[in-house]
Amino acid sequence: GENVEQHPSTLSVQEGDSAVIKCTYSDSASNYFPWYKQELGKGPQLIIDIRSNVGEKKDQRIAVTLNKTAKHFSLHITETQPEDSAVYFCAASISNDMRFGAGTRLTVKP
Amino acid sequence: NAGVTQTPKFQVLKTGQSMTLQCAQDMNHEYMSWYRQDPGMGLRLIHYSVGAGITDQGEVPNGYNVSRSTTEDFPLRLLSAAPSQTSVYFCASSYGTPSYNEQFFGPGTRLTVL
Repeated sequence: GENVEQHPSTLSVQEGDSAVIKCTYSDSASNYFPWYKQELGKGPQLIIDIRSNVGEKKDQRIAVTLNKTAKHFSLHITETQPEDSAVYFCAASISNDMRFGAGTRLTVKP
Repeated sequence: NAGVTQTPKFQVLKTGQSMTLQCAQDMNHEYMSWYRQDPGMGLRLIHYSVGAGITDQGEVPNGYNVSRSTTEDFPLRLLSAAPSQTSVYFCASSYGTPSYNEQFFGPGTRLTVL
């Protein structure tokens, strides 16, 4: 089955700096790659996603890039703010099966 | 819309006890799923359903049963709880397959098995 690896497990940045989280996947048939943000005590919430026929997608301060050949995708957050502090999960999906990375705890220091 | 709701929020069981985690959604979503979240392991799919009367196994189904008698409800049953089932459980729903539709997650149930 699909295996998703996510790095780093923890990331601390100063407010205003950029943050980058990277994921790799194993199954070349995976065709959908969402990113979720989970705040303390809550369920994950989708923040951005990308499909296999697209190389990059941007939504305000958040962007995701996908390299199908290398089977890796990344989340980029620019101009980080304290409210960006949370745990971020990447995932890779084929049909009804979605596999998640282990998560990255992002801390944005004011 | 209430979205995806889960009950209870917290539960403590003794080994061997049984219980049902409840999940309901009011968005008329066909696809519903259960995940467990353990430290350092992300979310792992337990069971999923593509519609009323249809369920299938995910990555870690052993020790859990599900049924889907209505579109709205998707309960998760632990028949004989084990300490290895201590985890946070999340229910999620989407209009269709999660490969093409945003999944909405409930607030979670924190389960401790002693």
